Amino acid sequence: GQNIDQPTEMTATEGAIVQINCTYQTSGFNGLFWYQQHAGEAPTFLSYNVLDGLEEKGRFSSFLSRSKGYSYLLLKELQMKDSASYLCAVSPPDSNYQLIWGAGTKLIIKP
Amino acid sequence: DVKVTQSSRYLVKRTGEKVFLECVQDMDHENMFWYRQDPGLGLRLIYFSYDVKMKEKGDIPEGYSVSREKKERFSLILESASTNQTSMYLCASSFGGEETQYFGPGTRLLVL
Repeated sequence: GQNIDQPTEMTATEGAIVQINCTYQTSGFNGLFWYQQHAGEAPTFLSYNVLDGLEEKGRFSSFLSRSKGYSYLLLKELQMKDSASYLCAVSPPDSNYQLIWGAGTKLIIKP
Repeated sequence: DVKVTQSSRYLVKRTGEKVFLECVQDMDHENMFWYRQDPGLGLRLIYFSYDVKMKEKGDIPEGYSVSREKKERFSLILESASTNQTSMYLCASSFGGEETQYFGPGTRLLVL
């Protein structure tokens, strides 16, 4: 079977750091995506990890461990505008470029 | 910049009506996708297309059909709308050899 798990909701404070976890069980695996989606808007691409390790992009970093079926998105120096849902998605092999999506984690930033 | 547009942001229809949702992308992408998004369920794939006139069913195709007559345009059709099709509908596209998908702004459909 194929399954992706993320926490439903998280709360963090402006200026702090937050880590959003994603675990997956899929039959095969090409890579893992993170998308950001503000309320009522389209998801926008944040990162794509294929290899194990941490990839940093400004305030956002994404980590992947293929052997553990685990990824996280790390957000530093949180700003109010980071309040959004964060979607984890996996691309299985031989999928015609389809993605399997997690339900998303709603991140609430408090002042 | 990739641009994916959808014909309406909000739509209200009555049960039994035929509904057309249109999606247009301007980046010559081969792949196009239709999803619906409901609270707590994440994105669920309805149909996708990897070329003009080609289509494949996703996870939840029942009650929907699609049309791709031109490369840039992918239409989702609800033959006879029902209340359980009230949802946010998102269109996405990607290059043929890539997996990164680019999304339109979404259409929030309410079926009464």
